Amino acid sequence: TQLLEQSPQFLSIQEGENLTVYCNSSSVFSSLQWYRQEPGEGPVLLVTVVTGGEVKKLKRLTFQFGDARKDSSLHITAAQPGDTGLYLCAGVRTGAQKLVFGQGTRLTINP
Amino acid sequence: SQTIHQWPATLVQPVGSPLSLECTVEGTSNPNLYWYRQAAGRGLQLLFYSVGIGQISSEVPQNLSASRPQDRQFILSSKKLLLSDSGFYLCAWSLGGQRNEKLFFGSGTQLSVL
Repeated sequence: TQLLEQSPQFLSIQEGENLTVYCNSSSVFSSLQWYRQEPGEGPVLLVTVVTGGEVKKLKRLTFQFGDARKDSSLHITAAQPGDTGLYLCAGVRTGAQKLVFGQGTRLTINP
Repeated sequence: SQTIHQWPATLVQPVGSPLSLECTVEGTSNPNLYWYRQAAGRGLQLLFYSVGIGQISSEVPQNLSASRPQDRQFILSSKKLLLSDSGFYLCAWSLGGQRNEKLFFGSGTQLSVL
């Protein structure tokens, strides 16, 4: 059973469109992180959110932590081919020590 | 600045052969070190983590072992590889003692066991 469920698992859209991917759990997390991974490389940390309701922006990417700290979303505006990759959410459950990862969303932006 | 080196990038090994993957971190002291395995394009499974020299915790029973002979060196080993050991192996480090640990990953090793 996945502690963190990501949806959709696969998403293919045209350049310029907007998209949102989700990371959901029934558990409360003290923090959630988003990573992007390109083929043949290790994941790279994009952002960490720690406060319920927190919103962080990274250029065209907007990350939100749910009020109850059980979920997070990543919204990309005007997607570009360079956004293509595997997006992974990861979190530390309240009272735990180690990160757990979702299964990832494979995003493809077509020119 | 901190860097992490992981090698080799790709490896093809026959079933029953031994394995040694090495990972080193530069620019930081006493990091937490991790070995993950990733199925094709999917999430990461934690295999081992270490908070100090000689201190290894195993997350899942398996055919692999890990060692940390030096502060910034982490080695993943197997005496006899199985077909099911194929996968993408990632080493990572984080600053020790932090609640919201941020992981910094190496570039990975693609292992194919034939």
